[in-house]
Amino acid sequence: ETGVTQSPTHLIKTRGQQVTLRCSSQSGHNTVSWYQQALGQGPQFIFQYYREEENGRGNFPPRFSGLQFPNYSSELNVNALELDDSALYLCASSQAGTSSEQFFGPGTRLTVL
Amino acid sequence: GESVGLHLPTLSVQEGDNSIINCAYSNSASDYFIWYKQESGKGPQFIIDIRSNMDKRQGQRVTVLLNKTVKHLSLQIAATQPGDSAVYFCAENLGDSWGKLQFGAGTQVVVTP
Repeated sequence: ETGVTQSPTHLIKTRGQQVTLRCSSQSGHNTVSWYQQALGQGPQFIFQYYREEENGRGNFPPRFSGLQFPNYSSELNVNALELDDSALYLCASSQAGTSSEQFFGPGTRLTVL
Repeated sequence: GESVGLHLPTLSVQEGDNSIINCAYSNSASDYFIWYKQESGKGPQFIIDIRSNMDKRQGQRVTVLLNKTVKHLSLQIAATQPGDSAVYFCAENLGDSWGKLQFGAGTQVVVTP
């Protein structure tokens, strides 16, 4: 058991809509990273949150945004959804300053129609 | 841009045999590498990691080899079992802090009886 939970498990949206995905980090972990995994591909780093601030970002447009809360849980928001946003969105937590081993959640499957 | 990639998309292995999964990386500055296993419907699961100051690391039934001269990483699984059937990803740590990973495309391992 990794302890990282994500909600919802599945989501269907239409183009142009907005979506919010949620992640609860493993107990004791203060850093959350988000990844997008398209079908048949490896996960792509979106951004990381540490101490409630963005701490690094991958090659994703500004319509991908996030938040981290005092309890270290996190949200990923995507505005103006496009068909290519259909993917599995993974959240991973880790403890800054220690081993870089990350624990991944099961992901949220987003389908954009 | 620089990236991590895999040589073989699919590997079929007979139960009990040893598996070898290969990965090429192009970023010579990478100093930390991780292997993940992803089963269908689940998030990636940490298998083993290795730092650039090492060339070999062993875990339970798994060994990771790093050849910095040719920028090559491999994962060896001893006595492959049906439960080893999954997609395997190599990843490198990006940036100046932990938890920002760049994944390769993945190798599907199929264990046959």
